[in-house]
Amino acid sequence: SQQGEEDPQALSIQEGENATMNCSYKTSINNLQWYRQNSGRGLVHLILIRSNEREKHSGRLRVTLDTSKKSSSLLITASRAADTASYFCATDAADSWGKLQFGAGTQVVVTP
Amino acid sequence: SAVISQKPSRDICQRGTSLTIQCQVDSQVTMMFWYRQQPGQSLTLIATANQGSEATYESGFVIDKFPISRPNLTFSTLTVSNMSPEDSSIYLCSVQSGGRSGYGYTFGSGTRLTVV
Repeated sequence: SQQGEEDPQALSIQEGENATMNCSYKTSINNLQWYRQNSGRGLVHLILIRSNEREKHSGRLRVTLDTSKKSSSLLITASRAADTASYFCATDAADSWGKLQFGAGTQVVVTP
Repeated sequence: SAVISQKPSRDICQRGTSLTIQCQVDSQVTMMFWYRQQPGQSLTLIATANQGSEATYESGFVIDKFPISRPNLTFSTLTVSNMSPEDSSIYLCSVQSGGRSGYGYTFGSGTRLTVV
């Protein structure tokens, strides 16, 4: 079963704008990860944030984690058409033995 | 990070038949994970495959329907048996990047299965 929810379900923006999506989860976690999926292909790992971290940056990506609220956000700055994809959060729970629980995903469309 | 070769990339199968999906990893890994992604949905874990032992299946998935082999530390197969149109999905394998936790996961490119 899915760990939590993501919002929005879909996001349409123009190139150059920022895209923000949120993820909520239910159980204690070791870390939370964000993945990108283009057109139903394989997933690409974007960034991982550990449970003792609050914010992390990687290039145009910024991830925050609030363990008290069991929520995370992914910000993509200065979006490009190539950022068009589905974005999933996934939690690595404390007792999961490496199993990931995925959120429902946010479909992002960036128009030129 | 690990590189995974997953085959086939897509297939169209008749109901009642079986399809075997293969994943080859370029490094030795202890655990491999198999996921299903139904149309328009998120990923759901099917099972965890450890070399030298029986796969561990998640609730709602059974070995008779999704038998898994793990003959060595770089290879695994998932078979979708006695297929019905409800099995039409993308199937993905995954391993922990770097071979240990805390480093994210690498996914195969997926197998898009259509059952007619």
